[in-house]
Amino acid sequence: AQRVTQPEKLLSVFKGAPVELKCNYSYSGSPELFWYVQYSRQRLQLLLRHISRESIKGFTADLNKGETSFHLKKPFAQEEDSAMYYCALFGYNKLIFGAGTRLAVHP
Amino acid sequence: EADIYQTPRYLVIGTGKKITLECSQTMGHDKMYWYQQDPGMELHLIHYSYGVNSTEKGDLSSESTVSRIRTEHFPLTLESARPSHTSQYLCASSDWTGAANEKLFFGSGTQLSVL
Repeated sequence: AQRVTQPEKLLSVFKGAPVELKCNYSYSGSPELFWYVQYSRQRLQLLLRHISRESIKGFTADLNKGETSFHLKKPFAQEEDSAMYYCALFGYNKLIFGAGTRLAVHP
Repeated sequence: EADIYQTPRYLVIGTGKKITLECSQTMGHDKMYWYQQDPGMELHLIHYSYGVNSTEKGDLSSESTVSRIRTEHFPLTLESARPSHTSQYLCASSDWTGAANEKLFFGSGTQLSVL
């Protein structure tokens, strides 16, 4: 069975500090991984996907198959990054999500 | 404008009532999903559909049912609501171009409270 684990419910940092949101997964096949974000009073939306190897709003995520991780990183957090972040894995024809991490960036 | 719509936004009902949560999308997507989410918890997949006349159960055992008679419409029905059904229900759609590019578009959700 596939599973996504986000060990931190809340991550609190100051503006300008580096951010790392952790995500670990278990899946027997080749994983397709994603990060979704939900800003206050907005809908859940796709932030980035590992296949694209892109940087979105300064965030990047690297798939580490050895550690079965897909951590989300940003070198300098901004207040507007405050949101709920969900790691997601596509496997067996469906997308499943972790419990989410709330990122709070303080001025 | 292409979008995904969920109604009602909030629903408070009594135990034993039959309810239908509506989800419609004008994005032309084939694949649609229903997720259930309790506060601070992960989204649990309860149903999904590849297209018309296709429905599949998700990972979370659910007493709800779904139908997909039209591409744009994917309603979820509870025949007899119970307090344990109190939760937020999120509908999503995707254009399904392949697993690596699976991008879901979410609705605003329905917050259901069963008294």
